[in-house]
Amino acid sequence: ETGVTQTPRHLVMGMTNKKSLKCEQHLGHNAMYWYKQSAKKPLELMFVYSLEERVENNSVPSRFSPECPNSSHLFLHLHTLQPEDSALYLCASSQSNGPGLNTEAFFGQGTRLTVV
Amino acid sequence: AQSVTQLDSQVPVFEEAPVELRCNYSSSVSVYLFWYVQYPNQGLQLLLKYLSGSTLVKGINGFEAEFNKSQTSFHLRKPSVHISDTAEYFCAVTKTNTGNQFYFGTGTSLTVIP
Repeated sequence: ETGVTQTPRHLVMGMTNKKSLKCEQHLGHNAMYWYKQSAKKPLELMFVYSLEERVENNSVPSRFSPECPNSSHLFLHLHTLQPEDSALYLCASSQSNGPGLNTEAFFGQGTRLTVV
Repeated sequence: AQSVTQLDSQVPVFEEAPVELRCNYSSSVSVYLFWYVQYPNQGLQLLLKYLSGSTLVKGINGFEAEFNKSQTSFHLRKPSVHISDTAEYFCAVTKTNTGNQFYFGTGTSLTVIP
């Protein structure tokens, strides 16, 4: 039990499909993240929700749309994806209490996404 | 901006031999430093972290790392590796004044050879 749960673990979708990835954290944290992990590349930070603010990586295409209804839940809505979007999508959470008072990020097990 | 460099993409090492995985970072502000391990088809698990105080940090599974501010390095070491240490290892940093964005290196694949 990692404290951060992602569903589904595996997803295969067509380029015209719409799907959503779900993440739930049971740690009482106030910040949640989506990362994309592709082979041979650094983990790419896609979105951050921290203290109810949203921070996004401007290079992330609009076909990825995050939603954070509360501090425990995070979604990533997917539509009209491309094959190059196939990757492991990792959710993480952390506690941000202000300058100098932050914890490490805790990760879920990821969703392996394949776009066909 | 922060960046993390892991110079070694693959490190093969014999069982019970020592290993060092290198990490260098660049940042215009002070940072916290982390090492994570990732086993196949799993998320990232924290090995150890440096926040402040002693520059030698001990973590789980017998790993340790040393923060060297002058060399902007945070190398990970283990005196004797086991087969079960075969995994991907990631170095990461976050700014101390905000801490809500973690920057990762490209990872080092450690393979322990029997």
